[in-house]
Amino acid sequence: DAKTTQPTSMDCAEGRAANLPCNHSTISGNEYVYWYRQIHSQGPQYIIHGLKNNETNEMASLIITEDRKSSTLILPHATLRDTAVYYCIVSRAVKTSYDKVIFGPGTSLSVIP
Amino acid sequence: DGGITQSPKYLFRKEGQNVTLSCEQNLNHDAMYWYRQDPGQGLRLIYYSQIVNDFQKGDIAEGYSVSREKKESFPLTVTSAQKNPTAFYLCALGHLNTGELFFGEGSRLTVL
Repeated sequence: DAKTTQPTSMDCAEGRAANLPCNHSTISGNEYVYWYRQIHSQGPQYIIHGLKNNETNEMASLIITEDRKSSTLILPHATLRDTAVYYCIVSRAVKTSYDKVIFGPGTSLSVIP
Repeated sequence: DGGITQSPKYLFRKEGQNVTLSCEQNLNHDAMYWYRQDPGQGLRLIYYSQIVNDFQKGDIAEGYSVSREKKESFPLTVTSAQKNPTAFYLCALGHLNTGELFFGEGSRLTVL
């Protein structure tokens, strides 16, 4: 089973910030939080990841709570092209032969004009 | 041209036939993964491999087989034992140090 829970769907107005939450209450100390998104009929695309500090890149910001049990992906100015399914997963960065990478159903984000 | 290549992009097969999906990479990553996606659903892990000559079953391995004879290649065979093989199949590479995954464009298999 996936180690994360996310809302099934969300709407966001174009130009506004999209805040996508993720719960990962059983995260281990050496597990990172990764975010991906999948536009229809394409392979998922990596967005950002973090361990405990907040992270920002050209695509998004990642806010991780101090207890690391939840996080929020922020798309600062959502555009119609950001409409996609967003997946939050947790896994170790350096893996052994038995480290699975499990995806849940994700959040379907619709950006509305 | 670097990256991960899946082929074929579209594939049709008759019931009872085995089919092999190709996944090739030239990024020198050790970890490779196969996922299956059904319409409107998330990704489910079929098989994964962290090193050459070693692979592990994922959550839905029944009816599938893989090999990892060389680092660059991780082919997936959908056997006749897979009862509902029509799906979108995604191959991914895992970065050794950062753990992020890079996905191929996928192979869409339809069983007629």
